[in-house]
Amino acid sequence: ETGVTQTPRHLVMGMTNKKSLKCEQHLGHNAMYWYKQSAKKPLELMFVYNFKEQTENNSVPSRFSPECPNSSHLFLHLHTLQPEDSALYLCASSQDRSNGYTFGSGTRLTVV
Amino acid sequence: AQKVTQAQTEISVVEKEDVTLDCVYETRDTTYYLFWYKQPPSGELVFLIRRNSFDEQNEISGRYSWNFQKSTSSFNFTITASQVVDSAVYFCALSGNNNDMRFGAGTRLTVKP
Repeated sequence: ETGVTQTPRHLVMGMTNKKSLKCEQHLGHNAMYWYKQSAKKPLELMFVYNFKEQTENNSVPSRFSPECPNSSHLFLHLHTLQPEDSALYLCASSQDRSNGYTFGSGTRLTVV
Repeated sequence: AQKVTQAQTEISVVEKEDVTLDCVYETRDTTYYLFWYKQPPSGELVFLIRRNSFDEQNEISGRYSWNFQKSTSSFNFTITASQVVDSAVYFCALSGNNNDMRFGAGTRLTVKP
């Protein structure tokens, strides 16, 4: 248990489905992040939230919609995804840049 | 712009060999932090070490050691007497003024028995 919990661990969805990924941390961190990790590609930063406010959106397609209702919870809502969106989605949190990030175990998403 | 380069995509060694994973970074920030993370097959990234830009002392932790050289913008990671359990993907990362962490592409290390 790393302190950052992601659910579900695995998800298979059709291209017309709507699903949500959940991330939860009780480390008292103020910032939360979504990363995408595709096979043989670097980790891609998708969204950043600081104190519940979105501070960065790295040109992510609108079929990915983040939500941060409070500083402990972060969601990634998915709809009409494409097969190329299949990847490991990692959530992370941090208190500040000097301490680095604490990562969850990720959700492995397969779009069929 | 910040950038982290891990030129070695994959490395394969035999158990008990020493192995060094290279990391080169670029940043215009005067204060920054460097990290190494390990990603085992289970998926989560496990924090290994943090270094701030003002501390160039090398560090040793058991079989792990890190060599930070500002002059060459490098932060290399050496595993001594490697073990099968060291097999994983290792990421180098940089955090600058904007608090966002940028990762290298990762190096997949395979340690064979």
